[in-house]
Amino acid sequence: GAVVSQHPSRVICKSGTSVKIECRSLDFQATTMFWYRQFPKQSLMLMATSNEGSKATYEQGVEKDKFLINHASLTLSTLTVTSAHPEDSSFYICSARNPGTFSYEQYFGPGTRLTVT
Amino acid sequence: GQQLNQSPQSMFIQEGEDVSMNCTSSSIFNTWLWYKQDPGEGPVLLIALYKAGELTSNGRLTAQFGITRKDSFLNISASIPSDVGIYFCAGQLQGNEKLTFGTGTRLTIIP
Repeated sequence: GAVVSQHPSRVICKSGTSVKIECRSLDFQATTMFWYRQFPKQSLMLMATSNEGSKATYEQGVEKDKFLINHASLTLSTLTVTSAHPEDSSFYICSARNPGTFSYEQYFGPGTRLTVT
Repeated sequence: GQQLNQSPQSMFIQEGEDVSMNCTSSSIFNTWLWYKQDPGEGPVLLIALYKAGELTSNGRLTAQFGITRKDSFLNISASIPSDVGIYFCAGQLQGNEKLTFGTGTRLTIIP
């Protein structure tokens, strides 16, 4: 199968601090990973597309200086929420595309619940 | 960003009943996907549809890619307790890896 993991699963941080979330593809190499944000009882909203070895592409309205994305290897992408504020509290989910399959087969991680106090 | 409209928003059914939900868009998509999300977890792919008019089954689940390419339908037959969750449709354009997600349908089974 195609397994995507995220770490941590839950994190609580204080306002003004930074938090790093990791997304790993465990049994395939992912040239492209995606980061989503989901507020309670809402749908998934794409934040950015992370490409291995190049800069991430951010969706309109997403601050690239606040949500830093690094895709340093074919199995790891990281999302860093800088200077976090309570309004950044959300469920962050990553997905990865397996280049060995059709482009529409994206596999999702289990998500990271961020709470900023 | 753009979202696809799903209906109904929520469903309350009894175990054993069949379920139908749909997803509509103002623009066409080349691929439609249906995901299920359990609380506190990421979405899991249920069915992928690649051609207009295509009807695909996965166990008790059946999904169809609308002829206009602007809608898709998901049916669940003989619902069981583990079907509880939120169902999302997602559309994808050819040559574009990004997924556009629907607003979701929350399925609850009444004991």
